[in-house]
Amino acid sequence: GAVVSQHPSWVICKSGTSVKIECRSLDFQATTMFWYRQFPKQSLMLMATSNEGSKATYEQGVEKDKFLINHASLTLSTLTVTSAHPEDSSFYICSARDGAGLVGYNEQFFGPGTRLTVL
Amino acid sequence: SQKIEQNSEALNIQEGKTATLTCNYTNYSPAYLQWYRQDPGRGPVFLLLIRENEKEKRKERLKVTFDTTLKQSLFHITASQPADSATYLCALGGSSASKIIFGSGTRLSIRP
Repeated sequence: GAVVSQHPSWVICKSGTSVKIECRSLDFQATTMFWYRQFPKQSLMLMATSNEGSKATYEQGVEKDKFLINHASLTLSTLTVTSAHPEDSSFYICSARDGAGLVGYNEQFFGPGTRLTVL
Repeated sequence: SQKIEQNSEALNIQEGKTATLTCNYTNYSPAYLQWYRQDPGRGPVFLLLIRENEKEKRKERLKVTFDTTLKQSLFHITASQPADSATYLCALGGSSASKIIFGSGTRLSIRP
């Protein structure tokens, strides 16, 4: 159980185009989903936290108009990179937390990641 | 600012030995600490969580200790196997059950 999927697993796009990445919790309801970005040999950097049915909370330095997040249901969150540029090339990973988990227990289940390459 | 430090250099261990990874943190009082495994090109996989009031937690060949005075966690893999080779990340979380902060990870290589 507790499986999170991402689609696509990799994408190559031209500079200036927009790319949408989907994150789905397959067998549980995710009241909260997180979006991370990871550059080679670096840590996961949290970009934003999204709660189902409300606006995402972005971390400092992350442009909300560039990285659009939608969490319309308890099993799906999407990240859209708008007007992508080569510096946006990275590994994007989502995670989901089971809203029915134990109080104080904060295990996050991660998706397999999406490799974005902007030419 | 909050800072998490893990061994930046790769750790090479002979198969069968115990691998010990370190996670130190500053300017933070986490309610819990987690360890994840990450393979190349994949998302992290949760391994263990230890709360601030726990000293040690075990799961099969894995053992985690948590010293809130030293602000340090140690992650041990006993009887290590080549399949244990991966990058291991520690992450800290607060009591608000919101976001967690990741360290940069330590790459572990187990040689046969």
